[in-house]
Amino acid sequence: DAGVIQSPRHEVTEMGQEVTLRCKPISGHNSLFWYRQTMMRGLELLIYFNNNVPIDDSGMPEDRFSAKMPNASFSTLKIQPSEPRDSAVYFCASREYGYTFGSGTRLTVV
Amino acid sequence: AQSVAQPEDQVNVAEGNPLTVKCTYSVSGNPYLFWYVQYPNRGLQFLLKYITGDNLVKGSYGFEAEFNKSQTSFHLKKPSALVSDSALYFCAVKTEGGATNKLIFGTGTLLAVQP
Repeated sequence: DAGVIQSPRHEVTEMGQEVTLRCKPISGHNSLFWYRQTMMRGLELLIYFNNNVPIDDSGMPEDRFSAKMPNASFSTLKIQPSEPRDSAVYFCASREYGYTFGSGTRLTVV
Repeated sequence: AQSVAQPEDQVNVAEGNPLTVKCTYSVSGNPYLFWYVQYPNRGLQFLLKYITGDNLVKGSYGFEAEFNKSQTSFHLKKPSALVSDSALYFCAVKTEGGATNKLIFGTGTLLAVQP
């Protein structure tokens, strides 16, 4: 198994632009999580899905952030419009019995 | 609300010496406790977990952790540190059952092993 696959690995964008981060979970895992990692706040859970349904989005910082999981093999995290304070590493993780993390997307908003 | 505290931002240890990375937790209900390691520019890798049973849990790369319910702690240990153990270590907690399926992480502890 290739593990949890995230794309792109790095993203640099200008303030105000829309950014879409992608995640392909491990086949058969029924839960998917989006985390954000910054020096100031550490690892924060943004949102998680069970069986493609959003269960808890209380960690989503603002309405500029949205996440979807249209099917069991794909999820997106979108930021529109992006701001410099959104710069962070965004991790996706999937879970059946244990959590497996992707390698992350390093987002820089200039 | 559940939370995890890692009181040390950084732990320094000489190669060959034992290491301890501290973690305390606060939950209502029975905790599921985890340790993850993050190497530079990489995602988090699972080390070990405690669900129930023996308080001493053995995990990957020679690491182990001891669950102490009275002290609400789950410290990570290794008898003999390697330079290659240098990384960022995260403790995490999840509560048993219910609708909550969230893994809450501590702020991380940077382990630096000197040759």
